[in-house]
Amino acid sequence: SQKIEQNSEALNIQEGKTATLTCNYTNYSPAYLQWYRQDPGRGPVFLLLIRENEKEKRKERLKVTFDTTLKQSLFHITASQPADSATYLCALVYNQGGKLIFGQGTELSVKP
Amino acid sequence: DADVTQTPRNRITKTGKRIMLECSQTKGHDRMYWYRQDPGLGLQLIYYSFDVKDINKGEISDGYSVSRQAQAKFSLSLESAIPNQTALYFCATSARPSGRTQETQYFGPGTRLLVL
Repeated sequence: SQKIEQNSEALNIQEGKTATLTCNYTNYSPAYLQWYRQDPGRGPVFLLLIRENEKEKRKERLKVTFDTTLKQSLFHITASQPADSATYLCALVYNQGGKLIFGQGTELSVKP
Repeated sequence: DADVTQTPRNRITKTGKRIMLECSQTKGHDRMYWYRQDPGLGLQLIYYSFDVKDINKGEISDGYSVSRQAQAKFSLSLESAIPNQTALYFCATSARPSGRTQETQYFGPGTRLLVL
């Protein structure tokens, strides 16, 4: 069965630095991949989507890359701020109209 | 007002009791989902519904049932609650994919359930 792995350890960085979170998957490549943000006790919120034929996507301080050879997506937050502290989830879809499969999430903590 | 609402937000119940969690949405989406989240395990899909007459089991449907009463309403029932069903439960919605829409899911605020 398909597996998705995100950094299980929390990521602690200093304000102003770039945070990089990893999402690895096994087996075949998904049709597209999404990143969500989740704050404690709240539902996930969609951030970005990248399709299998795209290498990179940007939105303000966020950047997502998708490497189908490495079977990996990287999620970057540049000029990080304490308000970026949250858990970030990656999710994959394997065919158009299919279900999302979520990773377990990586907790990011940005210190002032 | 929130687009996806869940009731109750918190619930404590005893082993063996039947409980229902409710979800309503005002986004006009066809698709609705129920997930549970346990610490360190991410979101696991319980049931999903692509329209009112279409209901499907997810990865962990045993011990759960659902009802899609209308396009806007999707309820999750625990027929006989057990302690290992203690978790955070989320409802989500999405639009039917098309050339202009993507499979983005919109989540409710969650229901925290404790089964004693």
